[in-house]
Amino acid sequence: SQQGEEDPQALSIQEGENATMNCSYKTSINNLQWYRQNSGRGLVHLILIRSNEREKHSGRLRVTLDTSKKSSSLLITASRAADTASYFCATGTLSSGSARQLTFGSGTQLTVLP
Amino acid sequence: NAGVTQTPKFRVLKTGQSMTLLCAQDMNHEYMYWYRQDPGMGLRLIHYSVGEGTTAKGEVPDGYNVSRLKKQNFLLGLESAAPSQTSVYFCASRSTGDQPQHFGDGTRLSIL
Repeated sequence: SQQGEEDPQALSIQEGENATMNCSYKTSINNLQWYRQNSGRGLVHLILIRSNEREKHSGRLRVTLDTSKKSSSLLITASRAADTASYFCATGTLSSGSARQLTFGSGTQLTVLP
Repeated sequence: NAGVTQTPKFRVLKTGQSMTLLCAQDMNHEYMYWYRQDPGMGLRLIHYSVGEGTTAKGEVPDGYNVSRLKKQNFLLGLESAAPSQTSVYFCASRSTGDQPQHFGDGTRLSIL
């Protein structure tokens, strides 16, 4: 079963615009992570936000977490063509113990048009 | 540093054949994971390991076996391949604590 579900499934924007992707999850979490996957490549970690944090920034990335609504959003500002990729949220649950297993959502395919 | 290296990158098997996928990491990570990724879906955990000599089942373990004889290597085996195992397989590793996972570039496996 998938813990996180991203919305939208696909997003197409012009270069320079902001891109917002949302993630909803079902059970209590320890942390929530966002990963990026370029076509034909493995996933690359972008940012981790812990359950006691509400917002985190990294460069052009801004992540928010609302544990009461069990949701998170990833904002990419001033998008570039190179940001074209699939973006996945992944949740680490309290029940996964030290193994810190992650449960991945189905992803948002972002296309940034030049 | 090479990070996480998966071999082979591509493979085509016939139903019933067996094979082993190799994952090697050079970051001295304790934890290693095997996932499969199917079209339109996120990654699903097959098996994982919390240290040398240990393995545990993930969400979709049936039809797969794993071994972690050395800390840097995590092997995924298919004893009798089935068409339903056609997928892209990813290996990941991470260190202790709330650290992110580092992924290989995947093995694309087709079972005919």
